[in-house]
Amino acid sequence: EAGVTQFPSHSVIEKGQTVTLRCDPISGHDNLYWYRRVMGKEIKFLLHFVKESKQDESGMPNNRFLAERTGGTYSTLKVQPAELEDSGVYFCASSQDPRESSYNEQFFGPGTRLTVL
Amino acid sequence: DQQVKQNSPSLSVQEGRISILNCDYTNSMFDYFLWYKKYPAEGPTFLISISSIKDKNEDGRFTVFLNKSAKHLSLHIVPSQPGDSAVYFCAASVDDYKLSFGAGTTVTVRA
Repeated sequence: EAGVTQFPSHSVIEKGQTVTLRCDPISGHDNLYWYRRVMGKEIKFLLHFVKESKQDESGMPNNRFLAERTGGTYSTLKVQPAELEDSGVYFCASSQDPRESSYNEQFFGPGTRLTVL
Repeated sequence: DQQVKQNSPSLSVQEGRISILNCDYTNSMFDYFLWYKKYPAEGPTFLISISSIKDKNEDGRFTVFLNKSAKHLSLHIVPSQPGDSAVYFCAASVDDYKLSFGAGTTVTVRA
């Protein structure tokens, strides 16, 4: 079974540019999450999709960040315009319906390292 | 406001000895606690978890202890092996979905 995949693995852009990150969850997982780790600090929650609906976007830093999950499959996270403080590693995770398992284990992708110059 | 804290950024332990990682939290609503392990250039992978109704959970070489009154949990790895060298994240959740993570502890197992 393929795991969570993310593209690109690295992205270097200049301040003011736009970047779009992509996440493909594990097939059949309705729950999809975005997290971010900045400068070796804690991994912070950004938002949670259930299928194509945003269930919780309380962690989104500001309106420069836009996440979508059209059709309830893959998701994109767009940063426009990018600022220096947006640099970090963006992780995507997915999980199945917690009613189908004892716990809603989240499986993480390898992350996209974003550097804003 | 960081609700999960790992105050030790690094830990060095000799192979075969016990590794003890600590984690403190502030949100009394957390009802599930997890440890994730992360190798360089990879995403975190689930290691072990514990429900708030328990005080201990064991899985092979890994044991997690929860002290709710102190809002503290710890991960014991015994015996430590070279492959255990990684970054370990403590995490907690209220609703089974959103995870709150600590900053991680880098464990180095010396031969």
